[in-house]
Amino acid sequence: EPEVTQTPSHQVTQMGQEVILRCVPISNHLYFYWYRQILGQKVEFLVSFYNNEISEKSEIFDDQFSVERPDGSNFTLKIRSTKLEDSAMYFCASSGSRGGTGELFFGEGSRLTVL
Amino acid sequence: RKEVEQDPGPFNVPEGATVAFNCTYSNSASQSFFWYRQDCRKEPKLLMSVYSSGNEDGRFTAQLNRASQYISLLIRDSKLSDSATYLCVVRPQTGGFKTIFGAGTRLFVKA
Repeated sequence: EPEVTQTPSHQVTQMGQEVILRCVPISNHLYFYWYRQILGQKVEFLVSFYNNEISEKSEIFDDQFSVERPDGSNFTLKIRSTKLEDSAMYFCASSGSRGGTGELFFGEGSRLTVL
Repeated sequence: RKEVEQDPGPFNVPEGATVAFNCTYSNSASQSFFWYRQDCRKEPKLLMSVYSSGNEDGRFTAQLNRASQYISLLIRDSKLSDSATYLCVVRPQTGGFKTIFGAGTRLFVKA
């Protein structure tokens, strides 16, 4: 069964450093997403990406964050100048269809710890 | 009012029990509704979509009441393996991309 894969599974970084989280969405999907879940809190939408551009973003997704699909398979989330409060699980998801009942398929997540 | 609000948990039930989760949403124009399941420290996984006419998948039944902006999930004959957090998920109409998760309701099924 096709799946979304994410790397790394866990990254520890020092405050102020840049991190890049990588995702390989399901190959025939068209829509890509990043979500964040701080430990013990709810899953929060960060950004959606379609047709090589951001289609929607939340207020969390400020200038510190950026996304890219550099090569047609990888989908990356870059966090510049990390802060302690960026520590969270970051989930990548993809879907095949825009609206309606399009199911989101999630990767296993990348746990980011900022020290 | 929160965009998606769920019953506070946790629910502690014995095996074989029937348990119901409720969810309300604030955006009356919302189009799509789902229940996801999340195991501890794992990714959310789709349990079932929720259709206007209500739908059933084995022991699970989902209902939608658009007038009341209310979604429910009923689990019959609970199994130990049903222990998880159940997430109510709503997709607003606006752009079709943003999907909003409720905070989740934790279920513990005990032998």
